[in-house]
Amino acid sequence: ILNVEQSPQSLHVQEGDSTNFTCSFPSSNFYALHWYRWETAKSPEALFVMTLNGDEKKKGRISATLNTKEGYSYLYIKGSQPEDSATYLCAFHNQGGKLIFGQGTELSVKP
Amino acid sequence: KAGVTQTPRYLIKTRGQQVTLSCSPISGHRSVSWYQQTPGQGLQFLFEYFSETQRNKGNFPGRFSGRQFSNSRSEMNVSTLELGDSALYLCASSFVGGSTDTQYFGPGTRLTVL
Repeated sequence: ILNVEQSPQSLHVQEGDSTNFTCSFPSSNFYALHWYRWETAKSPEALFVMTLNGDEKKKGRISATLNTKEGYSYLYIKGSQPEDSATYLCAFHNQGGKLIFGQGTELSVKP
Repeated sequence: KAGVTQTPRYLIKTRGQQVTLSCSPISGHRSVSWYQQTPGQGLQFLFEYFSETQRNKGNFPGRFSGRQFSNSRSEMNVSTLELGDSALYLCASSFVGGSTDTQYFGPGTRLTVL
């Protein structure tokens, strides 16, 4: 059974705070790690696709790193804004061809 | 470019009935995947279709089935509905469904089983 674990489950921060959360995944048969942002009443939106150990991706104030040898990825948000409030999902793509999602980290940014 | 569309958006059924959900992928996308989201659970993978063939399947009972048409549109069917099938069903499309392919999600169909 493949388990993708995300922590923390939820996070409440003030506007301007920087945050980070973790995604842990099996380190064997790794193909890719995806990050998505899911805002309430909207569809999940792709943030990053990461494939190489040591990979770092950045999109505005959001960045992510990947460690495939130890099986984790970090997502960072610098200077959180209320519009960053959403659930952040990671998904592990293995050799079997399935995308296995974590439970998500629910971020709430208060003005 | 039009996004992924799903119909209907909301559905109420009773136990024992069957239901069919529809998904139209982004033009040019040939892979369609289906997911179930229930309270307390993450997105659970149901199945993936590519070029009218089921390529991958999750751990769901045989009551859950799907198909894909030549225009890449996909349907999923749930027979003999149970209360536990109440969920948000999302479909996602991508070019070929490869590991590095970005999946684009539709708005989902909210199914309530009474």
